[in-house]
Amino acid sequence: KQEVTQIPAALSVPEGENLVLNCSFTDSAIYNLQWFRQDPGKGLTSLLLIQSSQREQTSGRLNASLDKSSGRSTLYIAASQPGDSATYLCAGGGSNYKLTFGKGTLLTVNP
Amino acid sequence: DTEVTQTPKHLVMGMTNKKSLKCEQHMGHRAMYWYKQKAKKPPELMFVYSYEKLSINESVPSRFSPECPNSSLLNLHLHALQPEDSALYLCASSLERGGHNEQFFGPGTRLTVL
Repeated sequence: KQEVTQIPAALSVPEGENLVLNCSFTDSAIYNLQWFRQDPGKGLTSLLLIQSSQREQTSGRLNASLDKSSGRSTLYIAASQPGDSATYLCAGGGSNYKLTFGKGTLLTVNP
Repeated sequence: DTEVTQTPKHLVMGMTNKKSLKCEQHMGHRAMYWYKQKAKKPPELMFVYSYEKLSINESVPSRFSPECPNSSLLNLHLHALQPEDSALYLCASSLERGGHNEQFFGPGTRLTVL
């Protein structure tokens, strides 16, 4: 059974700092790894999708990497801004229909 | 059109009421999902539809009844809910069912059961 863990549970940084969010998974037979952003009381916004054959994906100030052999993914946010404050969720897509979610990292970027 | 829409945004209902949640997508996706999310928890899968047929029911109580009238619409009918059913209900869609497909989520319906 796939288990996904996100560290840290919460992170507070000053504006402008580069930061890394971590995601680990137990079953390396994942099909893909998705990173989502969720603002309080809102739905999930898909940020990046990394297929199992890929090592990384980039979108603007975001870069996500995937290392299946070690069961890890990281989300790198460059030059953080207060508007980046949200909960970030990673989720692994398996051979079945399911996305297995981590519990998320609550990010606060202070002006 | 690359979004999933959900209505209503907020819903308050009593335990004897019958109400419905609606989800719509026009991306040509053939898999649609209902998730339930409690505060400070990750989403939990409830139902999966593939090509308008219910393919997965994650042991959800019968007071929740899904319906997929066509490939673009997904409904969740609610009846005799309990206060513990209060949560954010999220709809998602993907091109096909299967773990290799990217899922796109709607904004959710905030449900409060009194």
